Amino acid sequence: AQSVAQPEDQVNVAEGNPLTVKCTYSVSGNPYLFWYVQYPNRGLQFLLKYITGDNLVKGSYGFEAEFNKSQTSFHLKKPSALVSDSALYFCAVRAYSGNTPLVFGKGTRLSVIA
Amino acid sequence: KAGVTQTPRYLIKTRGQQVTLSCSPISGHRSVSWYQQTPGQGLQFLFEYFSETQRNKGNFPGRFSGRQFSNSRSEMNVSTLELGDSALYLCASSVTYRTLNTEAFFGQGTRLTVV
Repeated sequence: AQSVAQPEDQVNVAEGNPLTVKCTYSVSGNPYLFWYVQYPNRGLQFLLKYITGDNLVKGSYGFEAEFNKSQTSFHLKKPSALVSDSALYFCAVRAYSGNTPLVFGKGTRLSVIA
Repeated sequence: KAGVTQTPRYLIKTRGQQVTLSCSPISGHRSVSWYQQTPGQGLQFLFEYFSETQRNKGNFPGRFSGRQFSNSRSEMNVSTLELGDSALYLCASSVTYRTLNTEAFFGQGTRLTVV
């Protein structure tokens, strides 16, 4: 069965500093990987996805993520954090083949401090 | 283009009652998935529908059920509500079930409180 681990419940970073939100996954075969963000009292918003090709994926709001197959990781990064980036971030995976749903991690709360 | 619409936004029910939540996907989207979000468990997959057929089901008891109509709108039902069913229920739509690499678009959710 596929699964996603987000090892940090909370990440704190100062405004202007780089940020990283970690994600590791487990899936049979090749994965489709996604990052979503959730602001208070809102649904999830799509940030970026990895399907195939370049391991560095660029997404919305200046975020990017690096796919590392050997480490089964898909960490979310941003060179310079903004206070407005403070939110709940979810990593998700779907198997490349087979009848499988999109499975999410438990989420990481990012707090950017001014 | 309208987004995913979930109704109602908030709901308070008593233990033992049943509840029905509704989701209207983005126009042209035929795949609808449901998730339960709680602070401790994150997002847990409930079920996925495409063309009125359930394609996947998560590990929830039989009290949780769903269906999809010919216009792609979906409903989920929870019978005999328990306090632990209090959660944010999120619906997501995507273009087609068969294209697994397409992103899902989420509604704002229905906040269910069981008292």
